[in-house]
Amino acid sequence: NAGVMQNPRHLVRRRGQEARLRCSPMKGHSHVYWYRQLPEEGLKFMVYLQKENIIDESGMPKERFSAEFPKEGPSILRIQQVVRGDSAAYFCASSPGTSGGVYSYEQYFGPGTRLTVT
Amino acid sequence: DAKTTQPPSMDCAEGRAANLPCNHSTISGNEYVYWYRQIHSQGPQYIIHGLKNNETNEMASLIITEDRKSSTLILPHATLRDTAVYYCIVRGFMTTDSWGKLQFGAGTQVVVTP
Repeated sequence: NAGVMQNPRHLVRRRGQEARLRCSPMKGHSHVYWYRQLPEEGLKFMVYLQKENIIDESGMPKERFSAEFPKEGPSILRIQQVVRGDSAAYFCASSPGTSGGVYSYEQYFGPGTRLTVT
Repeated sequence: DAKTTQPPSMDCAEGRAANLPCNHSTISGNEYVYWYRQIHSQGPQYIIHGLKNNETNEMASLIITEDRKSSTLILPHATLRDTAVYYCIVRGFMTTDSWGKLQFGAGTQVVVTP
């Protein structure tokens, strides 16, 4: 069973460009979470999504950042007009929701996307 | 707003048990204790979680005090590959506002030495 996949693993963007980060959850998982880890800092929650719904976006910056998890395909974290302060590691996690009739929401993380803004 | 307190660092000799403490004195009755670790710059790895009973799995044991205000993660036989930052996280049931997100604090940097 493949784990959470993220691509690209490394992304370099110039200031003002757009960054698109992709996350494919584990098979059978319907919940996706995005976290950001700035250099030398801890992990911070950004957004929690289920298929076609944003459940909690309390950690998302108010401007330039958006996330989606469509019915088909990976979850996308989009950063418009990137600035140097967006340079960070972005981690995606997924959880199953329900498994065997029991709600299970341990989060399993992907390897991350390292975004560098030049 | 981390709800947990952990020592910033600790060392452990290879092959010995590593006991990682965590204080969560404000934990409420509908909150679990979760442990994750992050090896170097990899994605965090789930270790174990519990509510009030002690738990054990293939990775570790979790001991929660009777008043639930503190817990200890035990790595029974530490190896060099256990060197990582270990995070203790309090997380609510799905009916609470905090249940979806994991709120990571600074964690404990564990260094296992030969």
